Amino acid sequence: DAGVIQSPRHEVTEMGQEVTLRCKPISGHDYLFWYRQTMMRGLELLIYFNNNVPIDDSGMPEDRFSAKMPNASFSTLKIQPSEPRDSAVYFCASGTGRAGTEAFFGQGTRLTVV
Amino acid sequence: TQLLEQSPQFLSIQEGENLTVYCNSSSVFSSLQWYRQEPGEGPVLLVTVVTGGEVKKLKRLTFQFGDARKDSSLHITAAQPGDTGLYLCAGNSNYQLIWGAGTKLIIKP
Repeated sequence: DAGVIQSPRHEVTEMGQEVTLRCKPISGHDYLFWYRQTMMRGLELLIYFNNNVPIDDSGMPEDRFSAKMPNASFSTLKIQPSEPRDSAVYFCASGTGRAGTEAFFGQGTRLTVV
Repeated sequence: TQLLEQSPQFLSIQEGENLTVYCNSSSVFSSLQWYRQEPGEGPVLLVTVVTGGEVKKLKRLTFQFGDARKDSSLHITAAQPGDTGLYLCAGNSNYQLIWGAGTKLIIKP
């Protein structure tokens, strides 16, 4: 099993640009989570999907953030326009069963907005 | 707002010493998970505790869930440099994971 695969691993972009982060969950997992991690705020849940349907997006900071899951093997998190305060490590995780059960994390995307 | 407080935030000790880190809340959780995160990687699950008072051991790591299911501890015996990392606890409440801020642990050889 390849685990959760995220791309890119690192992204440096200029303020105002659109950024798209990608995630391939573990095959067979029906839950997918997007998290953001910073030194100041720790690990924050942004949004999660169950069977490709967004269930809770209350953690999405503002309308500049959007997430999609067009099929069971792919999800994207888009930031448009990006701002320096969006700089963080973004993790995708997948799991089975209920949303509060074990989450398997990808290696993350380190985003720097300059 | 449900909170999970972890303490200490940072701990640096010598190889061979014992240590305990704590995860506390005023809320009751149906289960609690401990993860370890190494630099440049995502968190990896170490253990899930479910029953109040439950104790689980993973080699030199001992995890305990409080009787009231509001708190948990992680004890490491004879710490090794390979134990270095960020230890995160996450409580399951209404099928959502509530995360602590983590304990950054450094084991010096």
